[in-house]
Formats: sequence, C-alpha cells, structure tokens
Amino acid sequence: DQQVKQNSPSLSVQEGRISILNCDYTNSMFDYFLWYKKYPAEGPTFLISISSIKDKNEDGRFTVFLNKSAKHLSLHIVPSQPGDSAVYFCAAKRRGNQFYFGTGTSLTVIP
Amino acid sequence: DTEVTQTPKHLVMGMTNKKSLKCEQHMGHRAMYWYKQKAKKPPELMFVYSYEKLSINESVPSRFSPECPNSSLLNLHLHALQPEDSALYLCASSQVRLRGGTSTDTQYFGPGTRLTVL
Repeated sequence: DQQVKQNSPSLSVQEGRISILNCDYTNSMFDYFLWYKKYPAEGPTFLISISSIKDKNEDGRFTVFLNKSAKHLSLHIVPSQPGDSAVYFCAAKRRGNQFYFGTGTSLTVIP
Repeated sequence: DTEVTQTPKHLVMGMTNKKSLKCEQHMGHRAMYWYKQKAKKPPELMFVYSYEKLSINESVPSRFSPECPNSSLLNLHLHALQPEDSALYLCASSQVRLRGGTSTDTQYFGPGTRLTVL
C-alpha cells in the first residue's frame, strides 16, 4: 500500500516560471517530510524538509508547503532553471527510522 | 560534510558469485539504511541499522546479508543473486530519533552501486 503518492509522473515548465510538484500521503502519523532530487544513476540529493508543526519552509528558490488537514504537500521552485530538470521524490517519516517515498515526478525545465 | 560514500560504483556478478557492497559516513549518524531502486521506481527500503543493530528487515531474501561493523560503516553481502536483483543499491544515513519530540532528521544518500547480475 503506497502511503506517499505523487500522482503526476511528469511535469514540463518553461524556464523562469514556477514549478509546482505535489505529494499526498495517507498516514496521519507522519511528522516529517522531505523532498529529494535525483539524476539518473545517482543517489537522491536532499533538497528541503518540513516538520509537521510548520506549514511552510523556504530555502532560496525552493519552498515547501504542508497542508496537514488535506494530507498534502507541495514543492515550489521559483524561478525554474534548466538545471532543475530531474526526478523529484517526496518522502515522509514517522516515529522510528522508516522513510516512505513517493513514486517520483520527472521535471523538465524547457530553456 | 554531508557525504555518504559507496563502493564500488558499478558491479557485475554471476549468480554463483559472492560480493560485498560498502558504505561509509562520517557525520556521526547512528542510523544507516540499505535501499534498492529499480528504474522509474522509488527507493525500496531493505534494512535499517540503529546503533549498529539491525532494527528493520523488510522481508529481504537471505541472499542479501547486511552487516554494520561500526558506527561509520555498513556492508551488504551478496550471494547467489538472481538477475531480477539487478538494480541501483543505495545506502543512506540519518540521526537516530531521540525519545519524544519532533524529529528533524534528514536522511542523506550515497551515490549508489549499480549492480548487474548475469
């Protein structure tokens, strides 16, 4: 059973515009959420995270929003750059050391 | 330093071979993980070590045998693998959550070992 879902397998955005990647989860016990960026044949690289006690966390061009009542989080990239083209995974963690990953969204930023 | 290193980068092995994957981190993390990732799929958790003890085994076949010799090292011993075991094997590490409170743990991944079983 997939507890973390990314329903859009791919997304294309023009350079300079906003990229919005979405993630839904089902387990209300998750208390920490992360976004990772992954290039082919490489390990995921940590981007940004948010604790469940917050609703927004910003780091440069990247902002993560958390809506606990909707069990939904999103990653905003503004402005999008061609180097942002990669697969983005959201992940969630609950008590214990288990991380649950979504299926990924492939972002293409068109120059 | 947020680096997790993995060796080798690539490994090709036959079904009768015995090989080992290695992972190292020097961030003082006391939780270490093995994941398996197939193309276009999310990482699948295999094992979690917490304070050098195996805390989670996600029903992984015995042909995969993890080992955590100390707090910085994690090995994955491979024996009698099948072609369907070919994948990217990822190691990760994080802090261990303390009792109570909200975790701010982040999991850091190594670059992976691309394994091909012939």
